Amino acid sequence: QSALTQPPSASGSPGQSVTISCSGTSSDVGAYDYVSWYQQHPDKAPKLIIYEVTKRPSGVPDRFSGSKTGNTASLTVSGLQADDEADYFCGSYADNNNFLFGGGTRLTVL
Amino acid sequence: VQLVQSGAEERKPGESLKISCKDSGSSFTSNWIGWVRQTPGRGLEWMGIIYPGDSDSRYSPSFQGQVTISVDKSISTAYLQWSSLKASDSAIYFCARSPMLFYYDSDNRFTYRTGDVFDLWGQGTKVTVSS
Repeated sequence: QSALTQPPSASGSPGQSVTISCSGTSSDVGAYDYVSWYQQHPDKAPKLIIYEVTKRPSGVPDRFSGSKTGNTASLTVSGLQADDEADYFCGSYADNNNFLFGGGTRLTVL
Repeated sequence: VQLVQSGAEERKPGESLKISCKDSGSSFTSNWIGWVRQTPGRGLEWMGIIYPGDSDSRYSPSFQGQVTISVDKSISTAYLQWSSLKASDSAIYFCARSPMLFYYDSDNRFTYRTGDVFDLWGQGTKVTVSS
């Protein structure tokens, strides 16, 4: 199974919104509402910020939101802040008890 | 609650290696533990997952037969091991917790799902394989 497809980069100015896409297939993103998003700052471990497509773990600001249409999921970061500059990875449960990650998107706050 | 991983390792091709991930909390057998590889060119890759309660495991097809995932529940520790390393195994390896989410299915059987989210991650172990 192939990795999920994300744009390699995204950018926005402080206060703006940016949306990152995550494209999969009918065997993963399209089949299950188990899409998650992870934020990773340099030399740090990934941190869960969205799960089950739209849910936020406790402590994650509501500036982060998720959605899904068909085989494509999206992460929107509103009110961009300097600390949002990081790599973002999507993940999805897939057929046969597999799990797939996206290739990652580097978000730059201009 | 933390997942604490063992330190960086350097090995030569063909050598074996076992790295560890210790759960410092009290819920080791209430969650599954997964392993994830990170390389600059390939991003994050899910390798497999194991249930510490009975060592039931699932592997990604890409890693089946290439690595072994195990646990010692007496010390709340999960392991990832290689019997013969290759240069291409050089990467950062993360362990991550996957919660068990219980529910009643369509036949009213009490069951759970897991392996669909990773809510707590270890700090990572860098493995370098070079001659």
